[in-house]
Amino acid sequence: SAVISQKPSRDICQRGTSLTIQCQVDSQVTMMFWYRQQPGQSLTLIATANQGSEATYESGFVIDKFPISRPNLTFSTLTVSNMSPEDSSIYLCSVGVGEKLFFGSGTQLSVL
Amino acid sequence: KQEVTQIPAALSVPEGENLVLNCSFTDSAIYNLQWFRQDPGKGLTSLLLIQSSQREQTSGRLNASLDKSSGRSTLYIAASQPGDSATYLCAVSTNQGGKLIFGQGTELSVKP
Repeated sequence: SAVISQKPSRDICQRGTSLTIQCQVDSQVTMMFWYRQQPGQSLTLIATANQGSEATYESGFVIDKFPISRPNLTFSTLTVSNMSPEDSSIYLCSVGVGEKLFFGSGTQLSVL
Repeated sequence: KQEVTQIPAALSVPEGENLVLNCSFTDSAIYNLQWFRQDPGKGLTSLLLIQSSQREQTSGRLNASLDKSSGRSTLYIAASQPGDSATYLCAVSTNQGGKLIFGQGTELSVKP
C-alpha cells in the first residue's frame, strides 16, 4: 500500500490567482496521477507525472493551465493557474502500487 | 470511447439490509475493474479489484462480481451498517498501469 499526504486540504481563492497543490508519498513510485472531480461528476484524469520527464496530459487539459512538477520519486505538485469559478473542484493525486490505485485525501478548491 | 455508468445514483437503506450497487461499462476490453469508497475529506479507498479474467472478489461483507462480456459489475454489501454510508465508485482500466475511467458513483446512506 501507499500513504499519500496531500495539501492543502481545502482553499478558497480569488479569480485570476494560482494555487499549488502538493502530494507526498511514503514510498518511491514511478508514476503519479492527478485527477479532478467537479461537483456532482466522476473523477477525470488530468495528467500522469513521471519523475524526470514532462507530464502527459489528457485531452482537454494543457500544461499552461495545470503545470505539474515531479522533482523526485516521492513528490509532485499540481498548479491550477489563472483560476476561474469553473475550476472549483476536488483535486486528487494518486499512485499505483501493484495493480491498485491509492489516493490522497484531496484538495477542495473554491474559486470566487 | 469507454464510458462507465453507475445505478442508482443514490440509495438509502435501513441498517442490516443486504444491497447491490451496479456498474456498467461500454467497452468489454478492460484490464481490470476496481471498486472504491469515497468519504468526504478522506479521498478514495480501494475496496476490491477484479482482474479481467476473474469473475468475483470478496473482502469481508463485500463481494464484487464481473461479467466482462455483458459489461457489468456489481458490488454486494451484506448486513449493511451506518458506517458503510459513503459514495461508492467503480472504475475500469484498459491496460496495466493505464488510466482509470470512473463512474459517477452511488451515494449510499444506511440509516440506524
